[in-house]
Amino acid sequence: QKEVEQNSGPLSVPEGAIASLNCTYSDRVSQSFFWYRQYSGKSPELIMSIYSNGDKEDGRFTAQLNKASQYVSLLIRDSQPSDSATYLCAVTGNAGNMLTFGGGTRLMVKP
Amino acid sequence: DTGVSQDPRHKITKRGQNVTFRCDPISEHNRLYWYRQTLGQGPEFLTYFQNEAQLEKSRLLSNRFSAERPKGSFSTLEIQRTEQGDSAMYLCASSLGTGYEKLFFGSGTQLSVL
Repeated sequence: QKEVEQNSGPLSVPEGAIASLNCTYSDRVSQSFFWYRQYSGKSPELIMSIYSNGDKEDGRFTAQLNKASQYVSLLIRDSQPSDSATYLCAVTGNAGNMLTFGGGTRLMVKP
Repeated sequence: DTGVSQDPRHKITKRGQNVTFRCDPISEHNRLYWYRQTLGQGPEFLTYFQNEAQLEKSRLLSNRFSAERPKGSFSTLEIQRTEQGDSAMYLCASSLGTGYEKLFFGSGTQLSVL
């Protein structure tokens, strides 16, 4: 079982819709959770972090964390074609030294 | 602040050859990480340094791989006797302290082993 799992997609949504990206992790003692965006041929860039259960909103992005279910999600409201990218979920373990990435979900926002 | 710089951007080599990549982190960053990413996969942790000390190395990392960070500045990643399975994007990232909020990735070195 992979430590961080994501549906590879592609997830296709129309422009203006809400895109919902999901991630599950296996290590119960994971402490920090991150969402990165990676455009094709580019390096990952951090868009959201979340550390405690519940929702965290930043502009059009909302991260949701449920540690009991070992589940973290990212919602993108009012999706734009420029949001088309691969979204990587990343988790740190108990020691916090290593960031483990999921395989990423490819999002396609169609005009 | 010129960002994390990696050199070369692309490297094509023949199987069995040795290759070396360089990473220059953001100047005041004391932590430096190496990741490897293959097509359609997320980055896979290889190793990290705090200053010049290599503090952790992936159990999956072959002994053909070695990394150094002399004087706690730039870092090199060497792959000896390359294999076709080593073909990947090698990403370097740096941060100040332990927080990942300020982790910045370089543009990567794309390795192709023929």
